[in-house]
Amino acid sequence: DAMVIQNPRYQVTQFGKPVTLSCSQTLNHNVMYWYQQKSSQAPKLLFHYYDKDFNNEADTPDNFQSRRPNTSFCFLDIRSPGLGDAAMYLCATSRGRGSSYEQYFGPGTRLTVT
Amino acid sequence: AQSVTQLGSHVSVSEGALVLLRCNYSSSVPPYLFWYVQYPNQGLQLLLKYTSAATLVKGINGFEAEFKKSETSFHLTKPSAHMSDAAEYFCAVTPMGTNAGKSTFGDGTTLTVKP
Repeated sequence: DAMVIQNPRYQVTQFGKPVTLSCSQTLNHNVMYWYQQKSSQAPKLLFHYYDKDFNNEADTPDNFQSRRPNTSFCFLDIRSPGLGDAAMYLCATSRGRGSSYEQYFGPGTRLTVT
Repeated sequence: AQSVTQLGSHVSVSEGALVLLRCNYSSSVPPYLFWYVQYPNQGLQLLLKYTSAATLVKGINGFEAEFKKSETSFHLTKPSAHMSDAAEYFCAVTPMGTNAGKSTFGDGTTLTVKP
């Protein structure tokens, strides 16, 4: 089945220790998104790629970076995680950027910062 | 700018009862509207979407939603709740002509189904 895969599902890191979360997709979608979701809140868009075109949200902290080496893979790098960065991180894809396109979400990576 | 309001952060129904989850939106241009469901420790899954065709939209798992422009609403319903419907539900709006990634999500409604 075509899908969005996130690894690892659970990640524990230490305060200030860089961490990388990964996402892959077999849908061959042009657009990939990274969201941060805190408990009982709506997902918050961090950035997205349209093919190789990177789009950062204005309020995304500089501590968060992303890479998309090819169509299938996208990475979220948190350079110096703080306690406030503990959250569920969701990767999503869509076939295009048009407003009618729905997003396909991965199962998420739950990040704990100790 | 657009916004989404989901009335009731928690809704509890008995198994077999009607499910009604409310969503009101504001958008300066015609919107596309989506309902997603999120099970514990999972990503969001599309239930249904409105893209300006039929105002009554049928989705997966027996859910449907009706777009009412005059009320700026897109409430989600299911005639008979099942235990497996217990989850968090998010309404999202994307104004026509904007980037899909600029969807605005509501804060979510947690549905509890009692046996």
